[in-house]
Amino acid sequence: DAGVIQSPRHEVTEMGQEVTLRCKPISGHNSLFWYRQTMMRGLELLIYFNNNVPIDDSGMPEDRFSAKMPNASFSTLKIQPSEPRDSAVYFCASSLVVNQPQHFGDGTRLSIL
Amino acid sequence: GENVEQHPSTLSVQEGDSAVIKCTYSDSASNYFPWYKQELGKRPQLIIDIRSNVGEKKDQRIAVTLNKTAKHFSLHITETQPEDSAVYFCAGSGFQKLVFGTGTRLLVSP
Repeated sequence: DAGVIQSPRHEVTEMGQEVTLRCKPISGHNSLFWYRQTMMRGLELLIYFNNNVPIDDSGMPEDRFSAKMPNASFSTLKIQPSEPRDSAVYFCASSLVVNQPQHFGDGTRLSIL
Repeated sequence: GENVEQHPSTLSVQEGDSAVIKCTYSDSASNYFPWYKQELGKRPQLIIDIRSNVGEKKDQRIAVTLNKTAKHFSLHITETQPEDSAVYFCAGSGFQKLVFGTGTRLLVSP
């Protein structure tokens, strides 16, 4: 089992640029979650999908953030345009169903200059 | 919605001592309570979880207790070791998303 795979591991870009983060959940898992972690705000749920359908996006901070899950094995989180306050570690996690143990990827450390 | 509070925010113990981290939740419908350990620069990893139909669960040196009436649950680590040093997060969930506590930084001194 390869676990949840995220890419890139690190991203440094300038303010205003588009950023795309990618996630491959564990095969067979039906729920996928995107989190943001900062020192100030801790671990925040941004959005989660069940069977590729977005269920709750109430944590998405602004319209600059969008997420898609075109199929069961791939999801993206996009920020356009990016701002310095978006700098954080972004984690993707997956679980068999919503109320089951979540397995986290290694995260993407995003720095917006 | 669910709200999970966690304390203390930091905890320092001597190697061999026990450590206890406590969390409270607000939604009486919540029935799943996992605990995650996050080492510096690493991903959160599930270390133990408990469902509302049991009051206690143990796995070697770690245990979790749940009091549904009071709506609180706790993580107990016995015989702490330096490698237990990390940030620990509790979380609660009903049939919806997990809500995480703010984390406890545990430092185990040799």
